[in-house]
Amino acid sequence: DARVTQTPRHKVTEMGQEVTMRCQPILGHNTVFWYRQTMMQGLELLAYFRNRAPLDDSGMPKDRFSAEMPDATLATLKIQPSEPRDSAVYFCASGAPDGGAYEQYFGPGTRLTVT
Amino acid sequence: LAKTTQPISMDSYEGQEVNITCSHNNIATNDYITWYQQFPSQGPRFIIQGYKTKVTNEVASLFIPADRKSSTLSLPRVSLSDTAVYYCLVGDRHSSASKIIFGSGTRLSIRP
Repeated sequence: DARVTQTPRHKVTEMGQEVTMRCQPILGHNTVFWYRQTMMQGLELLAYFRNRAPLDDSGMPKDRFSAEMPDATLATLKIQPSEPRDSAVYFCASGAPDGGAYEQYFGPGTRLTVT
Repeated sequence: LAKTTQPISMDSYEGQEVNITCSHNNIATNDYITWYQQFPSQGPRFIIQGYKTKVTNEVASLFIPADRKSSTLSLPRVSLSDTAVYYCLVGDRHSSASKIIFGSGTRLSIRP
């Protein structure tokens, strides 16, 4: 059963520290999405890639967030420096080449707490 | 961009059929209707997608009337494990993912 994997599942860090979240998309999927979910804002799209190229990262605070795909099996989301307001669950999702933008498969998420 | 409206919450009992309706009056010709399910502490799960009439899979059925201004997700014989938030999304599946909006969803609670 192919799944998106994310590490770490939980992260507690202090304000100002760097946080790196990793995602392994489903093998063969060529689109990767990063979302953030909070009680107040719901599920927000931060960035997405197709064939490893960033297509849109307008949802990310550019001064502290960065997203990359070093290769087809790894996507990373980095926050530097982290702030308490970044506390949220971060989801990665992937999509198949023929699946369309709305058919996405989500990972279990990384629950980030910044103190 | 087609805006969707769905109930904030719904309650039902085990064994019942549950129908969640989503309104999308401004749906465009190329737009599809997609539903996701999200359990607590998990990522959303793609359930079903359709364009018109009826689509059925092992999880649910999706009914779309001829005018496509609404759609209904039907869950047959629900169980406690169907308690989740259900999101209705409408958009062109070939468009930019930047336009995807999950909204607040419908919080479905199933009771014994």
